[in-house]
Amino acid sequence: AQTVTQSQPEMSVQEAETVTLSCTYDTSENNYYLFWYKQPPSRQMILVIRQEAYKQQNATENRFSVNFQKAAKSFSLKISDSQLGDTAMYFCAFMNPLSGNTPLVFGKGTRLSVIA
Amino acid sequence: DGGITQSPKYLFRKEGQNVTLSCEQNLNHDAMYWYRQDPGQGLRLIYYSQIVNDFQKGDIAEGYSVSREKKESFPLTVTSAQKNPTAFYLCASSMGTGNTIYFGEGSWLTVV
Repeated sequence: AQTVTQSQPEMSVQEAETVTLSCTYDTSENNYYLFWYKQPPSRQMILVIRQEAYKQQNATENRFSVNFQKAAKSFSLKISDSQLGDTAMYFCAFMNPLSGNTPLVFGKGTRLSVIA
Repeated sequence: DGGITQSPKYLFRKEGQNVTLSCEQNLNHDAMYWYRQDPGQGLRLIYYSQIVNDFQKGDIAEGYSVSREKKESFPLTVTSAQKNPTAFYLCASSMGTGNTIYFGEGSWLTVV
């Protein structure tokens, strides 16, 4: 079974600075997808970024980018120019598109606080 | 507006009662999911459905039941057999297995 590990329960960053959230996963599959979701205090789960394992190029969405290291099974999220609205729980998630039982497996999350 | 609607937002249940959480989507998505979130934990899959009239158990299905009679609706019943139902419940949908999953705003269930 796939597992996702987020080793940083809490992090903080000064406004306008850059922060990196770590995520590692365990799988024997070669084709899969990785995601970062953001959950602000409202508890709404919001997709931040998505990465296909077959793509060597790291995904980027505005101030959010990932460092995908397939051999190391690592998928970190970098937030540049941090804003107060980035304060949230961040969840790393794994999807094996061929799996019939666990469409999305989540890590336990990292609580990020952006400080003014 | 297109999206996933969960209701009610807050629900209180007495011990021994069954309660049903509603989830409706107008995104024309084929697959729908129910996740449970407890403090300090990530999301855990309860049930999911890839097509109408079909659904599969997730990691923590015991004490829960679902139905999928319509494409747009996937209600979750928390039965009295669920011993610790107090949690935040999230409904989600996607075009199908392998596609990005989108979430509703969630429902809080508290046992009183």
